[in-house]
Amino acid sequence: DSGVTQTPKHLITATGQRVTLRCSPRSGDLSVYWYQQSLDQGLQFLIQYYNGEERAKGNILERFSAQQFPDLHSELNLSSLELGDSALYFCASTSHPNTGELFFGEGSRLTVL
Amino acid sequence: AQSVTQPDIHITVSEGASLELRCNYSYGATPYLFWYVQSPGQGLQLLLKYFSGDTLVQGIKGFEAEFKRSQSSFNLRKPSVHWSDAAEYFCAVGAGGSQGNLIFGKGTKLSVKP
Repeated sequence: DSGVTQTPKHLITATGQRVTLRCSPRSGDLSVYWYQQSLDQGLQFLIQYYNGEERAKGNILERFSAQQFPDLHSELNLSSLELGDSALYFCASTSHPNTGELFFGEGSRLTVL
Repeated sequence: AQSVTQPDIHITVSEGASLELRCNYSYGATPYLFWYVQSPGQGLQLLLKYFSGDTLVQGIKGFEAEFKRSQSSFNLRKPSVHWSDAAEYFCAVGAGGSQGNLIFGKGTKLSVKP
């Protein structure tokens, strides 16, 4: 158990819909990262937050957005969903963002039909 | 740009045999290097990391990896594989700076024959 909690574990929705994925980081970790894992693209970094502020952006689509709240939990919002958005979305946290040593949650599997 | 290459998509070894998973990276400075393991239906778990110093690093579950700057490699090894080691293994390089996000290879799936 990494200490990172993600909900929901599984989500099935239709094209055009909007979903929100939630992440609670390890106790004390200020940095939260979101990654997308798909068969064709592998593990792709989406976005990073540190203590409520966006720190880095990766390959995140404009239809996707995220935020980190004062209690440090984070949400990833995916809108206007397309079939290609079906993937496993991981949240990770760390107390040492300069090193890249991350602790991953078990992921949220999104299926878009 | 930073990148990580894992040349082997799938490897099968017999239980008790030795294992080496290859990883090559491209990074301008001294990299932070990682190996993560993902069991089916699970998140990624850190096996080991290299930041600096001794180029042979020990990790959990009996794994080790060796950093070779001249070859831009960070291969993962285990002297004797157990059936429970069957999983997917990802090599990653830390992008560094204040961001710390990771660039992952495509992964190597390990199957273990009884």
